[in-house]
Amino acid sequence: LAKTTQPISMDSYEGQEVNITCSHNNIATNDYITWYQQFPSQGPRFIIQGYKTKVTNEVASLFIPADRKSSTLSLPRVSLSDTAVYYCLVGLTGGGNKLTFGTGTQLKVEL
Amino acid sequence: KAGVTQTPRYLIKTRGQQVTLSCSPISGHRSVSWYQQTPGQGLQFLFEYFSETQRNKGNFPGRFSGRQFSNSRSEMNVSTLELGDSALYLCASSPVPDIYNEQFFGPGTRLTVL
Repeated sequence: LAKTTQPISMDSYEGQEVNITCSHNNIATNDYITWYQQFPSQGPRFIIQGYKTKVTNEVASLFIPADRKSSTLSLPRVSLSDTAVYYCLVGLTGGGNKLTFGTGTQLKVEL
Repeated sequence: KAGVTQTPRYLIKTRGQQVTLSCSPISGHRSVSWYQQTPGQGLQFLFEYFSETQRNKGNFPGRFSGRQFSNSRSEMNVSTLELGDSALYLCASSPVPDIYNEQFFGPGTRLTVL
């Protein structure tokens, strides 16, 4: 089971780019890296998923170096509404839907 | 397409009582997972169901149980409630049980045990 380590909190201002790095030193060959976002009193929401190199969608980019021991979620031009907790998860091999959430990163965006 | 729905949204119970929470997955989704979220322990996996069978179970006492019906709807039950069971209970669904799939979470049921 790959353990993940993220910063507990980050602060930013509207319009800035935010990069949240997650460390997962013992990631397995078949593991994917997935990021979820959670607002208070709501369920987590899938943001992005990747295996290697770079993945980009309409809300974020995910950068994964060749050794895959870390990954960086990049949020371009954040707004107040991006204030949330961001979780980095590494997929378990063997299938199944058991998501293992770490402590996450509380991102606070200010004016 | 409607999202994952959970009922009730809020619930207040007293110690020793039991509670049943309900989850309706997105139409066509056959896998349902349950999570408990508390300020102290964070998000913890409870169990996962697919085709009416429990596939995975988290590290929770036997007071926590669940089931899934033929229409993929799921219920979880907590018996002999304790104060520490106060939490946000989240249900998530996906088409099939695969960690690589996006899981869609419901809004949760906020349970308060007095």
